Amino acid sequence: KQEVTQIPAALSVPEGENLVLNCSFTDSAIYNLQWFRQDPGKGLTSLLLIQSSQREQTSGRLNASLDKSSGRSTLYIAASQPGDSATYLCAADNYGQNFVFGPGTRLSVLP
Amino acid sequence: DTGVSQDPRHKITKRGQNVTFRCDPISEHNRLYWYRQTLGQGPEFLTYFQNEAQLEKSRLLSDRFSAERPKGSFSTLEIQRTEQGDSAMYLCASSLTSGDGDTQYFGPGTRLTVL
Repeated sequence: KQEVTQIPAALSVPEGENLVLNCSFTDSAIYNLQWFRQDPGKGLTSLLLIQSSQREQTSGRLNASLDKSSGRSTLYIAASQPGDSATYLCAADNYGQNFVFGPGTRLSVLP
Repeated sequence: DTGVSQDPRHKITKRGQNVTFRCDPISEHNRLYWYRQTLGQGPEFLTYFQNEAQLEKSRLLSDRFSAERPKGSFSTLEIQRTEQGDSAMYLCASSLTSGDGDTQYFGPGTRLTVL
């Protein structure tokens, strides 16, 4: 059974810092891994999707990497801004059938 | 707006009542997913459809829960005889089977409160 964990559970940084969020999964036989952002009381916004054959994806200030052999993915946020404050969730896709989500990392970027 | 929509956004009900939620996916998407999220947790998978066929159901989906997607477009999730433990955010997502990994797009959710 796939299990996904995220470290740290919460993170507070001053504006402008670069930061890394970590995601670990137990079953390396995944179809893809997706990172999401969730604002309080809202739905999820897709940030990046990394297919199992890929090692990283980039979008603007965001870069996500995937190492299937070690069961890890990281989300790198460059030059953080207060608007980046949200909960970041990773999800492992088990062959396109369902996603197993981690509990999320709650990020606060202080002005 | 052509994103995933859900209705209602909020529902307050008394224990024992039945409730039904609706999800309208992105129009060309063939897959539709239902998730449940409680405070401080990541979403938990409930069930998913490919077109009108319900292909997978989680053990979380007790016999009080039923989901349909009759014409392969919108979907409904019904909870019968609601319990206080059913209070949660119910999220719907859709995706298009393709070669780029099947990105899931989420709706805003329906927040259920069972009194």
